[in-house]
Amino acid sequence: NAGVTQTPKFRVLKTGQSMTLLCAQDMNHEYMYWYRQDPGMGLRLIHYSVGEGTTAKGEVPDGYNVSRLKKQNFLLGLESAAPSQTSVYFCASSYEGDNEQFFGPGTRLTVL
Amino acid sequence: GIQVEQSPPDLILQEGANSTLRCNFSDSVNNLQWFHQNPWGQLINLFYIPSGTKQNGRLSATTVATERYSLLYISSSQTTDSGVYFCAVRGDSGGGADGLTFGKGTHLIIQP
Repeated sequence: NAGVTQTPKFRVLKTGQSMTLLCAQDMNHEYMYWYRQDPGMGLRLIHYSVGEGTTAKGEVPDGYNVSRLKKQNFLLGLESAAPSQTSVYFCASSYEGDNEQFFGPGTRLTVL
Repeated sequence: GIQVEQSPPDLILQEGANSTLRCNFSDSVNNLQWFHQNPWGQLINLFYIPSGTKQNGRLSATTVATERYSLLYISSSQTTDSGVYFCAVRGDSGGGADGLTFGKGTHLIIQP
């Protein structure tokens, strides 16, 4: 099992460009999450999903959109990137909301 | 929302020393996890421990849910233990499907 995978691993964008980050899990988990980590801080929740076709806002959702068209995939989109979105993005999944979460390796995004 | 405080923020030890990391949280929880973020940025699951005590090799953890704190013990430290240790919790708000709230972490440096 690959667990939770993320693509790409690194990306550099110019202000105003758009991109999509892909998260995939092969553990048949219902719940999936997107977090961001800024220097010297813990992770903060952006959006999450409790099942295929559902999405919900987390702590810092502004400037991001998400989609969960398939149970195993959770996409994070930036429609118009801003320098404030420079961060490391982590995806996670869990079987249920109060179960252990498993994290992907992260995507390092720089917006110039 | 729920607050998570970790202490100490920084810790420098010699190889072979023991250490105790603390996590205080402000409300009842139904998930508490300890992670190690290694120097390459990877998040490694250490313990899923909303209550009770667990041990895994040189590491052990205890959560006293009624007093809203958790402790992570590291014995006989090795240089590979260096990195940032995060505590993360999910508040037991009743039916909520929020993700984890992270503390700011304890930055541990083990010197040879």
